[in-house]
Amino acid sequence: DTAVSQTPKYLVTQMGNDKSIKCEQNLGHDTMYWYKQDSKKFLKIMFSYNNKELIINETVPNRFSPKSPDKAHLNLHINSLELGDSAVYFCASSQDFSGNQPQHFGDGTRLSIL
Amino acid sequence: LAKTTQPISMDSYEGQEVNITCSHNNIATNDYITWYQQFPSQGPRFIIQGYKTKVTNEVASLFIPADRKSSTLSLPRVSLSDTAVYYCLVISNSGYALNFGKGTSLLVTP
Repeated sequence: DTAVSQTPKYLVTQMGNDKSIKCEQNLGHDTMYWYKQDSKKFLKIMFSYNNKELIINETVPNRFSPKSPDKAHLNLHINSLELGDSAVYFCASSQDFSGNQPQHFGDGTRLSIL
Repeated sequence: LAKTTQPISMDSYEGQEVNITCSHNNIATNDYITWYQQFPSQGPRFIIQGYKTKVTNEVASLFIPADRKSSTLSLPRVSLSDTAVYYCLVISNSGYALNFGKGTSLLVTP
């Protein structure tokens, strides 16, 4: 069983479209995250939810809207996609929000904007 | 967040021990040192975490000197499958998301 699963694995779309990426974890964790890895391979935090509550919201355009229907899911919706949104998006989860808990990552969603 | 500095890349032959050192001069008292590994087309994977002295698990060892301003990840007898990017992170126990730097790209060859 995959611990943290993201769908789709690849997403190719045109500028201006709206798309969603789904994430589910079956580890029973309380905290979930979205990270963005750009072409230079820098991995940066975007959002974090703890028990369905938003706790981290980095400087991300408001075109990005996370939604957590329950503790096991954290979806990412992106409106009006731009070329600069092309990247790999990783979902992760951890037992709780304390820094010494390991984070478990999904295998990423590669988003390509044409 | 404590800034970390580690080599951009390292090369090794199969069967050798690899030591990757990370500097974190402004580490705070309640910070932990954590290492992640990332293979191409995969998400980062937790390897090991420590606070001081030495920690060992089935994958690696982590050496942390008394001043905690640096740490060394030791991979015993690497294989080709250990080729990956290794990230050193300093994380506050009070909680914050991971701050990944550039990492060290390790290439293991026959």
